[in-house]
Amino acid sequence: AQSVTQPDARVTVSEGASLQLRCKYSYFGTPYLFWYVQYPRQGLQLLLKYYPGDPVVQGVNGFEAEFSKSNSSFHLRKASVHWSDWAVYFCAVRGASSSFSKLVFGQGTSLSVVP
Amino acid sequence: EAAVTQSPRNKVTVTGGNVTLSCRQTNSHNYMYWYRQDTGHGLRLIHYSYGAGNLQIGDVPDGYKATRTTQEDFFLLLELASPSQTSLYFCASSDWTGGNYAEQFFGPGTRLTVL
Repeated sequence: AQSVTQPDARVTVSEGASLQLRCKYSYFGTPYLFWYVQYPRQGLQLLLKYYPGDPVVQGVNGFEAEFSKSNSSFHLRKASVHWSDWAVYFCAVRGASSSFSKLVFGQGTSLSVVP
Repeated sequence: EAAVTQSPRNKVTVTGGNVTLSCRQTNSHNYMYWYRQDTGHGLRLIHYSYGAGNLQIGDVPDGYKATRTTQEDFFLLLELASPSQTSLYFCASSDWTGGNYAEQFFGPGTRLTVL
């Protein structure tokens, strides 16, 4: 069964600094991978998604992520963090299959941005 | 963009109480989902449905029933609520056409407290 691990429960960065949020997945086969963001008191919104192809995918608001099959990773990056990025970030995986498969989420990483 | 609404937004009940959480989506998606979000666990799938009258069991179904009455409406039922069901509940919807998986759109969440 697929699983996702986000090893950092909390991350604090300074505004303007670069950011990397880590995600490790486990899936036997070709995965589809996603990053979602949850702003305070809101539901989840899709930041970006990876379907088999270019390993670096671009998302909204300057976010990007890189898929690595050898490392089973899908880390999220941003070059310069803004205070409005303060949120909880979830990595998720599902199988690349013609039949339906469930989306499995990681535990989430809470990002705080300080001046 | 798909709209997913949930009601109530907040609910307090007592142990053994009967609770119904409601979800409506207005973009004619065929799949709908109920998740619970708990610190350290991320989002976990309770039940999902691929159409009116259909119900599929998720990963943490114990203590929950669900019913999909129409394409738009999906309900989560807690018939004998317990404190362990205190959580933030999200509803989501998505389309599914063969192998083409579309993103899940999330509602704003319902915070349930069981005393």
